[in-house]
Amino acid sequence: GQNIDQPTEMTATEGAIVQINCTYQTSGFNGLFWYQQHAGEAPTFLSYNVLDGLEEKGRFSSFLSRSKGYSYLLLKELQMKDSASYLCAVYDNYGQNFVFGPGTRLSVLP
Amino acid sequence: DVKVTQSSRYLVKRTGEKVFLECVQDMDHENMFWYRQDPGLGLRLIYFSYDVKMKEKGDIPEGYSVSREKKERFSLILESASTNQTSMYLCASSLPAGGQETQYFGPGTRLLVL
Repeated sequence: GQNIDQPTEMTATEGAIVQINCTYQTSGFNGLFWYQQHAGEAPTFLSYNVLDGLEEKGRFSSFLSRSKGYSYLLLKELQMKDSASYLCAVYDNYGQNFVFGPGTRLSVLP
Repeated sequence: DVKVTQSSRYLVKRTGEKVFLECVQDMDHENMFWYRQDPGLGLRLIYFSYDVKMKEKGDIPEGYSVSREKKERFSLILESASTNQTSMYLCASSLPAGGQETQYFGPGTRLLVL
């Protein structure tokens, strides 16, 4: 079966660091994506991991452990504009499609 | 710049009506997808297509059909709209790289069925 789990909501303070976790169970695995989605807008690509380890891209980093079925998205130096939903998605190469988690709504407070 | 467009941002229809949602991409992508997004459930795959005239069922195809007559256009059809199809509908496209390429999403169509 397929299952992706994320916390529903998180709150953090401007300037802080926040880690959003994602755990997954899929029939096949060929990559994990993180997307950002502001309210009422389309999801936009943030990061991609297919090998274990950390991928860094500016203030955002994403980590993957395939043996644990686990990923996290790390956001540093939080800004108000980072308030959004963050979607974890896994490419299941058995079903040949993307499976999405429920999304984590992050609120950044001043 | 990559662009995926959807025919309407907001749509109000009555129960039993036939509804067409259009999606167009300008990136010459082979793969196109239709999702619905509901609070607490995330994005759920309705149908996808890997080529012209090809279609594959996703996780929740019941009550929907699709059409892909041209590479750039992927249409979602609600044969007889019902209130439980009130949702946000998102179209996406990607290159055929077995999951190693990101999807690009359209702005979404918020459908209300009365």
